[in-house]
Amino acid sequence: DSGVTQTPKHLITATGQRVTLRCSPRSGDLSVYWYQQSLDQGLQFLIQYYNGEERAKGNILERFSAQQFPDLHSELNLSSLELGDSALYFCASSVGESSYEQYFGPGTRLTVT
Amino acid sequence: AQKITQTQPGMFVQEKEAVTLDCTYDTSDPSYGLFWYKQPSSGEMIFLIYQGSYDQQNATEGRYSLNFQKARKSANLVISASQLGDSAMYFCAMREAGYGNKLVFGAGTILRVKS
Repeated sequence: DSGVTQTPKHLITATGQRVTLRCSPRSGDLSVYWYQQSLDQGLQFLIQYYNGEERAKGNILERFSAQQFPDLHSELNLSSLELGDSALYFCASSVGESSYEQYFGPGTRLTVT
Repeated sequence: AQKITQTQPGMFVQEKEAVTLDCTYDTSDPSYGLFWYKQPSSGEMIFLIYQGSYDQQNATEGRYSLNFQKARKSANLVISASQLGDSAMYFCAMREAGYGNKLVFGAGTILRVKS
């Protein structure tokens, strides 16, 4: 158990819908990262937050947005969902902004039908 | 351009033998970090080992060692004395210094340990 929690574990929704994925980092970790793992794209970095502020952005679609709250938990919002958004979404956390070790949560498996 | 290349889609190894998983990387940044993660069938990502670009010695963590050849831009993972529980997908990843702390992952290698 990495100490990173993600809810829900599984999510099934229809095209065009909007969902919110939630992540709680390890106690004491200030950085949160979101990654997407899909069959065609592999594991891709989406976005990083550090202590509430966006620090790095990857291949995140405009339909996706994220934020980190004052209590350091983070949410990833996915809207206007398409079939291709079906993937495993990981949250990871690290102590600092550039800490080399990122601890991954168990992931949320999103299925868009 | 592909930053991380894992050329072995799948590997088999006999239990108790050693196995090497290949990883090559591409960067022009002198400061970077290389990582290996394990993803069992249950799906979680487990950090295994880290090598910094300025580290003089190869990293080791228990049965895992990283064979770092900087001039060849390779960072192969060596697993000694393979166990059945080592059967999983293995990802090589790189972090470049600069903006943010994002990891760029390779496509992964599926390792199957045979009894």
